[in-house]
Amino acid sequence: VQLVESGGGLVKPGGSVRLSCAASGFTLNDHHMTWIRQAPGKGLEWVAYITISGTTTYYADSVKGRFTISRDNAKNSLYLQMNNLRVEDTAVYYCARIYWPIDYWGQGTLVSVSS
Amino acid sequence: DIVMTQTPLSLPVIPGEPASISCRSSQSLLDSDDGNTYLDWYLQKPGQSPQLLLSTVSYRASGVPDRFSGSGSGTDFTLKISRVEAEDVGIYYCMQRIEFPWTFGQGTEVQIK
Repeated sequence: VQLVESGGGLVKPGGSVRLSCAASGFTLNDHHMTWIRQAPGKGLEWVAYITISGTTTYYADSVKGRFTISRDNAKNSLYLQMNNLRVEDTAVYYCARIYWPIDYWGQGTLVSVSS
Repeated sequence: DIVMTQTPLSLPVIPGEPASISCRSSQSLLDSDDGNTYLDWYLQKPGQSPQLLLSTVSYRASGVPDRFSGSGSGTDFTLKISRVEAEDVGIYYCMQRIEFPWTFGQGTEVQIK
């Protein structure tokens, strides 16, 4: 099982970025998926969740209306579209597989929001 | 939202000695529909992403040594390490997934004394 995140980097407040998570070693469409973040030196914060079909999603209040989780099962990929970014969104973003519980995490990609 | 509170936040340990971390939730994590209690434990070793230790209070993940055990019910839970080894250092997190938003405890940093 491997989850590889990409798309992080430095972005200005108010800007947008799209994170991708490439899954391998398993079939993505057998699993619900989730994004979790960790601000520098801080603890873990759950961000978003998506069902296998993609029809049901949940978000943390802190990102609701700004972030969108999606997936492309044919491409074995998970995404997080992040709009209207704020300084407090600076964090390492992990994608993670759900096998009730969360059983595998990627290595994360750093998103830095700064002017 | 369900608030998860861990104690202690820092835990110096001696190799070979036992260690214990407490996690308390602001409401019950027992699902009355299926009887499961949705409390999991994760370990984040230095420089790594988190890894699953225990699920639904006490079920060890594949490959997790049996020196790790979990107990508790309702709102009070405990992770125990029977004999700490050097490789156990890191930050331990409890997490509830009975309802969204899923929430984590603040983390307990375990270091070798």
